[in-house]
Amino acid sequence: QVQLQESGPGLVKPSETLSLTCAVSGYSISSGYYWGWIRQPPGKGLEWIGSMYHSGSTYYNPSLKSRVTISVDTSKNQFSLKLSSVTAADTAVYFCARRGSGRLGAIDYWGQGILVTVSS
Amino acid sequence: EIVLTQSPGTLSLSPGERATLSCRASQSVSSNYLAWYQQKPGQAPRLLIYGASSRATGIPDRFSGSGSGTDFTLSISRLEPEDFAVYYCQQYGSSPGTFGQGTKVEIK
Repeated sequence: QVQLQESGPGLVKPSETLSLTCAVSGYSISSGYYWGWIRQPPGKGLEWIGSMYHSGSTYYNPSLKSRVTISVDTSKNQFSLKLSSVTAADTAVYFCARRGSGRLGAIDYWGQGILVTVSS
Repeated sequence: EIVLTQSPGTLSLSPGERATLSCRASQSVSSNYLAWYQQKPGQAPRLLIYGASSRATGIPDRFSGSGSGTDFTLSISRLEPEDFAVYYCQQYGSSPGTFGQGTKVEIK
C-alpha cells in the first residue's frame, strides 16, 4: 500500500520560504510516476503547484513557477517543496501526491495534508 | 490554462436519489484526460474516475463518468449516506492540470 506523509513547519513568516517534505512508503520513487504538490486554501478549491518525474524533470504551475522548487531525494524515498517569498495568500493545506502518465495521469495517491499558515 | 466550471455549486438530494454533476471546460480537454475526485471534510481528495469514464480501483459501480471534449458528467446512481461530500473535476491533458471549483452534494 502506497502511503505519503507531509511534514514541515505549520507557521511561516511573510517573505520567508515555505519548506515541506513528503515521505513515501510502499513504493520506490525511483521506480517511476510523477510526484508533486497540490494546495487548498481554507474553505476553497484545489490548486496544482507542480510535479517532478522520478528522473528529475519538473513541471510547475506558471502562476507559481518563479517561486517554486520541487526536488527528489531517492536515497530517502522522499520529495520536497520550497515556496519562496510567501504571503498570506499562500496559507493553505498542502497535499503531496502521486500521479501517473498519459491516461493514467490522474492523482491516485494523496498525503493527508498539512496546514501551513503564513503570519507574522 | 484550461478553466473548468462545475455546476451546480450545491446539490441538495436525499439518500437513494440520483446525482448528476457537470464539469465544463473552456477548451477541449486533450484525449479526454478528465478525472473526478471526492473530498470529505478534513480529508484528502479520493480519485473516483479517470480518463473521463474509467472507475478507479475500489470505486463502487454506482459512480460513473461520461462526456468528451468540453462537457463531462459524473453520475451517482443511488446516493448512499457516505456519498455526501464535495466533488471536484480535474483535467490533466494540458499543463498546468487544473481543477474545477467543486460541487457540494448535501443531504436534503
